[in-house]
Amino acid sequence: RKEVEQDPGPFNVPEGATVAFNCTYSNSASQSFFWYRQDCRKEPKLLMSVYSSGNEDGRFTAQLNRASQYISLLIRDSKLSDSATYLCVVSRNYQLIWGAGTKLIIKP
Amino acid sequence: DTGVSQNPRHKITKRGQNVTFRCDPISEHNRLYWYRQTLGQGPEFLTYFQNEAQLEKSRLLSDRFSAERPKGSFSTLEIQRTEQGDSAMYLCASSPKREAYNEQFFGPGTRLTVL
Repeated sequence: RKEVEQDPGPFNVPEGATVAFNCTYSNSASQSFFWYRQDCRKEPKLLMSVYSSGNEDGRFTAQLNRASQYISLLIRDSKLSDSATYLCVVSRNYQLIWGAGTKLIIKP
Repeated sequence: DTGVSQNPRHKITKRGQNVTFRCDPISEHNRLYWYRQTLGQGPEFLTYFQNEAQLEKSRLLSDRFSAERPKGSFSTLEIQRTEQGDSAMYLCASSPKREAYNEQFFGPGTRLTVL
């Protein structure tokens, strides 16, 4: 079993819809949490850090449940440009541990 | 451009040859990381430097792989006697030293194809 698990998708979603991704992690010693976005054949780029109290950045909302070891990402009013792979990442000390990513396809 | 840079962007080599990749981190970042990513997977950690010291190496990093960061600035990753299974995207990332968070910033990667 992988340390960070995500549904690989793809999620096919119409433009303007709301979409939610979930991620679970198995190591309770994980210290910090992130969502990265990766476009096809490009490097991962930090989308947002995830804080225990939950946080929002425009159309994106991230939640963390430490007790359940569960992280979520909500995208509202989805745009065509949101099409990408979304990677759930946990950190311990210097090391990042990555999920395999969830592929999102926004359709016009 | 003040981001992480990597060279070359693409490398095609024959099995058994040696290859070397370079990474230039963001200038004020003292931490540097190498990852390998294959299709459909997230990046896998290879090794980590704090300044010039290599503090951790993954078990994925066989004795054919070596990384250096001689002056605590740029880093090189060398693969000797390449195998077809080494074909992957090699990503470099850097981060500033922060106690609480470890946000890493990635270069564009070097895509290696071993024929």
